[in-house]
Amino acid sequence: QMQLVESGGGLVPPGGSLRLSCIASGFTFSHYGIHWVRQAPGKGLEWVALIRYDGDNKYYADFVKGRFTISRDNSKNTVFLQMNSLRPEDTAVYYCAKDHGYLGTYWYFDLWGRGTLLTVSS
Amino acid sequence: SYELTQPPSVSVSPGQTARITCSGDVLPKKFVYWYQLKSGQAPVLVIYEDSKRPSGIPARFSGSSSGTTATLTISGAQVEDEADYYCYSTDSSGNDRDVFGPGTRVTVL
Repeated sequence: QMQLVESGGGLVPPGGSLRLSCIASGFTFSHYGIHWVRQAPGKGLEWVALIRYDGDNKYYADFVKGRFTISRDNSKNTVFLQMNSLRPEDTAVYYCAKDHGYLGTYWYFDLWGRGTLLTVSS
Repeated sequence: SYELTQPPSVSVSPGQTARITCSGDVLPKKFVYWYQLKSGQAPVLVIYEDSKRPSGIPARFSGSSSGTTATLTISGAQVEDEADYYCYSTDSSGNDRDVFGPGTRVTVL
């Protein structure tokens, strides 16, 4: 069945870097955009970034622009989120989520992973 | 961007009907989506495009939208429906930075 599995979370000091991965299975990965959405402890969901199916277009929330980079390797069914200059307020569970659009972007999420926890603390 | 408003919590007895509202000035121009979050699990889409139910979602989940308010209804709520529910809206254009509502904790007891 269709599945997304995140990995790479952990404890990082402020100013540090980390790369998250999201591996997809059960669908034609190269035909769909992938988002990252996060949830800080005790807070709600917050959209972080999107990479379109072909990797040519990427979009970011204002609070991560210039610090986070989304990329994908369609040969490995994997999306990455490179996070630099991390701040304590970036502490959250990071989910990857599949966009509904086939060879396009609908800007909503029809499949999610279980998430990976990033903690930014000294 | 814009804001969506949800009640922080809703409580219902098993078998009763739970209604969760989502309000926002942009809703007449956008579709609403509802996500169910349970701790440690992958979030699940339970309603899309205001009122459509994905395959595999029980029929007790329904959605509606009128004017600036959308509503998720759980008819005959079950204990397993206890979760956080988030509304989300988009017109699929990508022109806005679409947002989630703050979430509603549904308690079934």
